[in-house]
Amino acid sequence: SQQGEEDPQALSIQEGENATMNCSYKTSINNLQWYRQNSGRGLVHLILIRSNEREKHSGRLRVTLDTSKKSSSLLITASRAADTASYFCATDDMFSGGYNKLIFGAGTRLAVHP
Amino acid sequence: ETGVTQTPRHLVMGMTNKKSLKCEQHLGHNAMYWYKQSAKKPLELMFVYNFKEQTENNSVPSRFSPECPNSSHLFLHLHTLQPEDSALYLCASSQERGGSGTQYFGPGTRLTVL
Repeated sequence: SQQGEEDPQALSIQEGENATMNCSYKTSINNLQWYRQNSGRGLVHLILIRSNEREKHSGRLRVTLDTSKKSSSLLITASRAADTASYFCATDDMFSGGYNKLIFGAGTRLAVHP
Repeated sequence: ETGVTQTPRHLVMGMTNKKSLKCEQHLGHNAMYWYKQSAKKPLELMFVYNFKEQTENNSVPSRFSPECPNSSHLFLHLHTLQPEDSALYLCASSQERGGSGTQYFGPGTRLTVL
């Protein structure tokens, strides 16, 4: 079953604005990751937050995790046209038997207009 | 993107053709993955290889046949495909047992089945 579900499905903003994307999941996790995908390309890892962490920063990215609500958010501050991409959350399967099985959501398509 | 490479980048094939996709990782990882990404659908995990052993076959039709000759190379052999198999096929690798859980993706092969 699908683990991560992103909200909104699509987001359109102007350069300089902040973009917030949300992710909900269903089962217990070890960590949650966010990935970015430019159109028709591979995914690029952005940030990982562990289940015992509540907030993490990396440059213009801020990720929060609320395990009680089984949700996470990704905030991109001062967005740029180059941030235009799809963003995916991925959760690991805690009972996957020792290897790193990730389950991806459907993604949020972000468009940043100059 | 030089960490994980995929060839070819684009492939058009007829339903009766046999072709192979190749993935190579230069990161010293010991787990490799094949994913299928169709339009407007979440990323679907197809196969997982952990230390060259297949540990996951996510109910993939037998017309897709993976091969992992060593921990750096992964192939996906294609035979008698259907038009609905047209998609972006992504390869990824990760470091198990002590790794961060992050997966590193190749740029993908855009497959079109006529």
